[in-house]
Amino acid sequence: DAGITQSPRYKITETGRQVTLMCHQTWSHSYMFWYRQDLGHGLRLIYYSAAADITDKGEVPDGYVVSRSKTENFPLTLESATRSQTSVYFCATAGYPGSSYEQYFGPGTRLTVT
Amino acid sequence: SQQGEEDPQALSIQEGENATMNCSYKTSINNLQWYRQNSGRGLVHLILIRSNEREKHSGRLRVTLDTSKKSSSLLITASRAADTASYFCATEGGGSQGNLIFGKGTKLSVKP
Repeated sequence: DAGITQSPRYKITETGRQVTLMCHQTWSHSYMFWYRQDLGHGLRLIYYSAAADITDKGEVPDGYVVSRSKTENFPLTLESATRSQTSVYFCATAGYPGSSYEQYFGPGTRLTVT
Repeated sequence: SQQGEEDPQALSIQEGENATMNCSYKTSINNLQWYRQNSGRGLVHLILIRSNEREKHSGRLRVTLDTSKKSSSLLITASRAADTASYFCATEGGGSQGNLIFGKGTKLSVKP
């Protein structure tokens, strides 16, 4: 049981290209999250989802698009990549909402935009 | 949005010593969580403390919470080289969907 996986683990792309980062979980957790991690900023929430077809913006959503047609998948798309989107991206899941419950993180995708 | 802020930003100790990291936050909380991140990996949940708890233990970890000072501390006793990692505190975000807000982390280095 892989739990939560992210693909690709590493990606180099050029400015202006569309990039999709994949996140897949096997727990059937309702809640899924996308974070980016940058030096000096810690983790910042990009988008989150409470269930299939329910998504909402986080702290830094500009330039990103998400979808969730199935409970187990939560892809993150950079519509037109910019250098400022060079970062490490983490997907996370939670069975229940709120700070009473832990989040489970994937291994991350390191994205470089040249 | 409220955010936990860890202190210090970096900490270097010898194996066997205790490591203490602090987290301050801005507004009232229901719970506070601590996570660990090994280099190149995702975050792993360590411990959760509720607002009505003052102290909680898990193995070599001891977490305290002082709601009057809006602060929490994470103590790792008898540290090991394997404890080398970054440590983050997290509190509830402002959204209704259950998101967390993470601090910037304390980078702990334990030297053998």
